[in-house]
Amino acid sequence: EAGVAQSPRYKIIEKRQSVAFWCNPISGHATLYWYQQILGQGPKLLIQFQNNGVVDDSQLPKDRFSAERLKGVDSTLKIQPAKLEDSAVYLCASSSTREGEGSPLHFGNGTRLTVT
Amino acid sequence: AQTVTQSQPEMSVQEAETVTLSCTYDTSESNYYLFWYKQPPSRQMILVIRQEAYKQQNATENRFSVNFQKAAKSFSLKISDSQLGDTAMYFCAFSNQAGTALIFGKGTTLSVSS
Repeated sequence: EAGVAQSPRYKIIEKRQSVAFWCNPISGHATLYWYQQILGQGPKLLIQFQNNGVVDDSQLPKDRFSAERLKGVDSTLKIQPAKLEDSAVYLCASSSTREGEGSPLHFGNGTRLTVT
Repeated sequence: AQTVTQSQPEMSVQEAETVTLSCTYDTSESNYYLFWYKQPPSRQMILVIRQEAYKQQNATENRFSVNFQKAAKSFSLKISDSQLGDTAMYFCAFSNQAGTALIFGKGTTLSVSS
């Protein structure tokens, strides 16, 4: 089974520029998550999708962050304009109810974003 | 709101020794799920072990086991026979029964030396 794919692996941009991250979840996984992990901290949920609908985006800074999951498969997370404090690793994860309630999340390798 | 606390920022252990990582959590739910994830320098979060709160028996996966104390809201991870490949950051995480997203602690950096 192929894992969660993310790209790019690294990205360096200047503040006020825009950036986009892409995620392809494990085939058949209905739930997709984007997490932000600042250096030295645990991941923090940005947004959760169930198929192509948003379940939870309460911690997404909507003035600059946006995310979509067209057709309920791939997802894109965008930041525009970026700030210095957005420097972090952005992790995508997916899960399936076929693994039972409380099913574990399967993570991609993440994208390390540096804003200068 | 649920919270997860890991009070040990860093731990170190020699190869073949046993180490225990601590985790406490706060919730008003009666049923939920607890996880330990490992994050090596490659950044990929890897599931180590999972515990369902309604199960009394502590989960075990090879060299990894947990001590789940529901009344104390404690969920520690024991790594036996530590190996160099266990060097990583370890995160404790919580999920409620409704299957919402995981809430993570701040992590414990574990270093295993020869």
